[in-house]
Amino acid sequence: DADVTQTPRNRITKTGKRIMLECSQTKGHDRMYWYRQDPGLGLRLIYYSFDVKDINKGEISDGYSVSRQAQAKFSLSLESAIPNQTALYFCATRLGGSGPGELFFGEGSRLTVL
Amino acid sequence: TQLLEQSPQFLSIQEGENLTVYCNSSSVFSSLQWYRQEPGEGPVLLVTVVTGGEVKKLKRLTFQFGDARKDSSLHITAAQPGDTGLYLCAGAKVEGAQKLVFGQGTRLTINP
Repeated sequence: DADVTQTPRNRITKTGKRIMLECSQTKGHDRMYWYRQDPGLGLRLIYYSFDVKDINKGEISDGYSVSRQAQAKFSLSLESAIPNQTALYFCATRLGGSGPGELFFGEGSRLTVL
Repeated sequence: TQLLEQSPQFLSIQEGENLTVYCNSSSVFSSLQWYRQEPGEGPVLLVTVVTGGEVKKLKRLTFQFGDARKDSSLHITAAQPGDTGLYLCAGAKVEGAQKLVFGQGTRLTINP
């Protein structure tokens, strides 16, 4: 089983619908992140969390919200999806502490908003 | 504006050739990482460089961090089809920073 699991892996929805992407990890890491990947733009940070109930905005948080109710789970919500939120979404974890730690990514959730 | 600019964005070469991918910025980074991403998977860390001028080797891959810590390069010797993938550089602007800034990626295709 993967250390960082994302569900669903693929989702097609319509404009205006509420969507939740879920991430769970078995690595015991305290840091969790949500990134969005678009062709030619690399990975852009949406939200990140350093601990349960800790929420921090990334560079593109508008239109998204997150929840960290348990150390192992970090969910991303789109309250009212719009077509330009069509993208590949990645959850990642990292062990806290000094130094440049490694990010461990899930396999991604491909979201299409029609 | 992309904080980290990678070039080229696309590269298709024949097996056995050498190649270099660049990651450039006008900002100083405390550390820089390179990730490789294959279709249907998340990025996987290849290397972390933290010292200006540092060179690290991973089999046929050589990574270098610029002296001023504003740029990095990835050189692949005798490329193989298994090297095909999306290569991403990512930098941390502050020492120990838990947020990384990613480049836009270089999509590399090695043809048999």
